[in-house]
Amino acid sequence: DIQMTQSPSSLSASVGDTVTITCRASQSISSYLNWFQQKPGKAPKLLIYSASSLQSGVPSRFSGSGSGTDCTLTISSLQPEDFATYYCQQSYSAPYTFGQGTTVDVK
Amino acid sequence: EVQLAESGGGLVKPGGSLRLSCAASGFTFISYNMNWVRQAPGKGLEWVSSISISDSYIYYADSVKGRFTISRDNAKRSLYLQMNSLRAEDTAVYYCTRSYDGGLFDSWGQGTLVTVSS
Repeated sequence: DIQMTQSPSSLSASVGDTVTITCRASQSISSYLNWFQQKPGKAPKLLIYSASSLQSGVPSRFSGSGSGTDCTLTISSLQPEDFATYYCQQSYSAPYTFGQGTTVDVK
Repeated sequence: EVQLAESGGGLVKPGGSLRLSCAASGFTFISYNMNWVRQAPGKGLEWVSSISISDSYIYYADSVKGRFTISRDNAKRSLYLQMNSLRAEDTAVYYCTRSYDGGLFDSWGQGTLVTVSS
């Protein structure tokens, strides 16, 4: 199975900050890497797919990069509604594993 | 608008069974693979099972293999998860998701809570 490791597990930031979250896979997954945002009590929402493609309706302050074993999610100019937990996930092969999550909270 | 509506969750004793359903609307059901993903209270996301458009492939997480069965009824636009021999560690919110390309989960239901406890 492919293991997904996110870092950091949590971070504190302020509105307007640029935030970067990293995801590392235990083997190469090409660009089969997706990012989700989850708010308390809500279902996850797809933000980025195929490492760098922005899902329809997602603000352009969200961006993704990387391939192989290392990918990054960047949130530019953090907004109040962006405080949430973020998960990476590999769709390269089943089992489709998720990272452990990164919680972005208010500094 | 894509809608996925799960139902069937509830409280069940260890060793018991439960059947979850997911009603799909707003998209061409037969064009998508379907999946179940779960989240234990206060924990992260765990993929559970996937089924392809025509049942040509079915995958399970090792943690549920042999106990859970995924199925779909394309005529009814519905996805199911039969859960047997339930354990306390199966307690979670179960989400129904669709995927166009393998494990790319682009739409999610609101989830249904399964609690396994005596």
